[in-house]
Amino acid sequence: GQQLNQSPQSMFIQEGEDVSMNCTSSSIFNTWLWYKQDPGEGPVLLIALYKAGELTSNGRLTAQFGITRKDSFLNISASIPSDVGIYFCAGQLNDMRFGAGTRLTVKP
Amino acid sequence: SQTIHQWPATLVQPVGSPLSLECTVEGTSNPNLYWYRQAAGRGLQLLFYSVGIGQISSEVPQNLSASRPQDRQFILSSKKLLLSDSGFYLCAWSSDSNSPLHFGNGTRLTVT
Repeated sequence: GQQLNQSPQSMFIQEGEDVSMNCTSSSIFNTWLWYKQDPGEGPVLLIALYKAGELTSNGRLTAQFGITRKDSFLNISASIPSDVGIYFCAGQLNDMRFGAGTRLTVKP
Repeated sequence: SQTIHQWPATLVQPVGSPLSLECTVEGTSNPNLYWYRQAAGRGLQLLFYSVGIGQISSEVPQNLSASRPQDRQFILSSKKLLLSDSGFYLCAWSSDSNSPLHFGNGTRLTVT
């Protein structure tokens, strides 16, 4: 099945810095999704992308659906301590595949 | 609006004991339902999914099973737990196979 490569695996940043993470695949997807998981809770949908080239923002978050349909990135601007958590990308084409996650730590 | 409930939140069970985790969805009809397992706070492994009552697809062979006795109820079971069954179990729903998944808050299972 399709494999998603999510990077980086972890990030340690200072409060106020910008963050960038991405996912790539050898296969195309019709939908790219980004989730955030707080400790001890289920992942929560942040952004859904449905069209190649689409750029979508949700507050300080911006995500793009790659033009080749094989990749997506998520940017977080001006990070704050509550951004801490694990971020998952997911690609969807009849079924859904998840990346391994990016663990974000924000130092105040 | 749609909501998903998963219980219990935490569970400690001895090896060899049975397991039953429940998940219910409200506010939607005929959802796709999913059980995932997450080890060590990392990746999500799909265990089972269901597109309708009594229809269960298994992704990974193991000593777990799933059942969907009602449209919006999904149950994860085991007759005899193994140590390796410890983990964080997540239930999720979607409107269809092309819609985003929405997750419950998970069950932390520790097998001792």
